[in-house]
Amino acid sequence: QLVLTQSPSASASLGASVKLTCTLSSGHNYYDIAWHQQQPEKGPRYLMKVNNDGGYSKGNDIPDRFSGSSSGAERYLTISSLQSEDEADYYCQTWGTGFRVFGGGTKVTVL
Amino acid sequence: QVQLQESGPGLVKPSETLSLTCTVSGGSISGYYWSWVRQSAGKGLEWIGHIHHTRDTNYNRSLRGRIALSVDASKNQLSLKISSVTAADTAVYYCVRDTYYYESGAWEDVFDIWGQGTTVIVSS
Repeated sequence: QLVLTQSPSASASLGASVKLTCTLSSGHNYYDIAWHQQQPEKGPRYLMKVNNDGGYSKGNDIPDRFSGSSSGAERYLTISSLQSEDEADYYCQTWGTGFRVFGGGTKVTVL
Repeated sequence: QVQLQESGPGLVKPSETLSLTCTVSGGSISGYYWSWVRQSAGKGLEWIGHIHHTRDTNYNRSLRGRIALSVDASKNQLSLKISSVTAADTAVYYCVRDTYYYESGAWEDVFDIWGQGTTVIVSS
């Protein structure tokens, strides 16, 4: 069964960087994933797609400080130069024919 | 610019059927899958299912049997029905454009446009 695992929380100081991890379950390390951001009291917003080869493509109007990468079964979202508005929940998500799956989400706190 | 707007009753009694509508503006329903995603208070996102304009549908296995999705292309609307609801169905429900396409030998997917969500409370 395909499962996406995320750490529940992460924190970093204003202006610093934070790297979030989404881990694909055993046997599924070839899946691409997407990252979505959910700011407090708002609906989610699509950030980017991260390929299994480490490439990534961002959605419209996503700031340059957001980037993606990949290694093995792990997919990453890196936020550089953290801003206060980056304090949010971040969800990874993947797909296949007939199904879509979300990770449990990581809450990012900007210190 | 494509926008999605969910609507429906905010309160549903247990054992009844929850019915929601998603209206798509600024673009066509054709050519896309349209997903429903829900989020219980303080919890993560849960994919409910999706429907293509051709009426091809897929559902989350955990909810299969209680879910019905439909599309009305003439009105640019989608609908979600969940039968026999319980308190566990209390959530914010989102409509999402689910762009599924074939590129470089693989199927790709983008949940690229989200609605603002509508809150449904199941309570007597």
